[in-house]
Amino acid sequence: GAGVSQSPRYKVAKRGQDVALRCDPISGHVSLFWYQQALGQGPEFLTYFQNEAQLDKSGLPSDRFFAERPEGSVSTLKIQRTQQEDSAVYLCASSFRQATNSPLHFGNGTRLTVT
Amino acid sequence: KQEVTQIPAALSVPEGENLVLNCSFTDSAIYNLQWFRQDPGKGLTSLLLIQSSQREQTSGRLNASLDKSSGRSTLYIAASQPGDSATYLCAVSTYFGNEKLTFGTGTRLTIIP
Repeated sequence: GAGVSQSPRYKVAKRGQDVALRCDPISGHVSLFWYQQALGQGPEFLTYFQNEAQLDKSGLPSDRFFAERPEGSVSTLKIQRTQQEDSAVYLCASSFRQATNSPLHFGNGTRLTVT
Repeated sequence: KQEVTQIPAALSVPEGENLVLNCSFTDSAIYNLQWFRQDPGKGLTSLLLIQSSQREQTSGRLNASLDKSSGRSTLYIAASQPGDSATYLCAVSTYFGNEKLTFGTGTRLTIIP
């Protein structure tokens, strides 16, 4: 596709439910990132993949958060037993090579609201 | 821990004026610095990327400078237009091998027609 695609665009979950957020990066992009953006804040790093390898997951806030990219393209961020503090916009970004050498391309995000 | 600060949090200027947005970071050991633009309800669009060895980058009416030793960057926008209204975020990456970006909280810019 022309850009990074994320789905769903909006997700409302009741506290305790599990959710899965999908990211389709730009074709051929090696690096893929997930960021969490709370209202009025800058994005905060969650996790990073290079192809199918998850090289850094230090930003995942708890073991309820899990990300995968099994074939090195589409990625899924899963949140188990959602809590109200999980409400945020979840942004996916990809880059052609190592991100420190090339700009990131962001999707429009998934806005998660936990009630 | 790297911290990125952007001042002011919000800025309104009349159309046509030149303006400067500021970004500061606490750890000068960065690999690069990027400026992004975010429109309401949208993702981020990369505007300029400055490698740590560079002093500035230009794209059209935008010019970004980097002073790594003092931990500062500025984004200069010339001849502002209403379409420039958005939130501008700066982000730094730590030294090579650490891919994650640390973002500031952004400056919300409004250009008044």
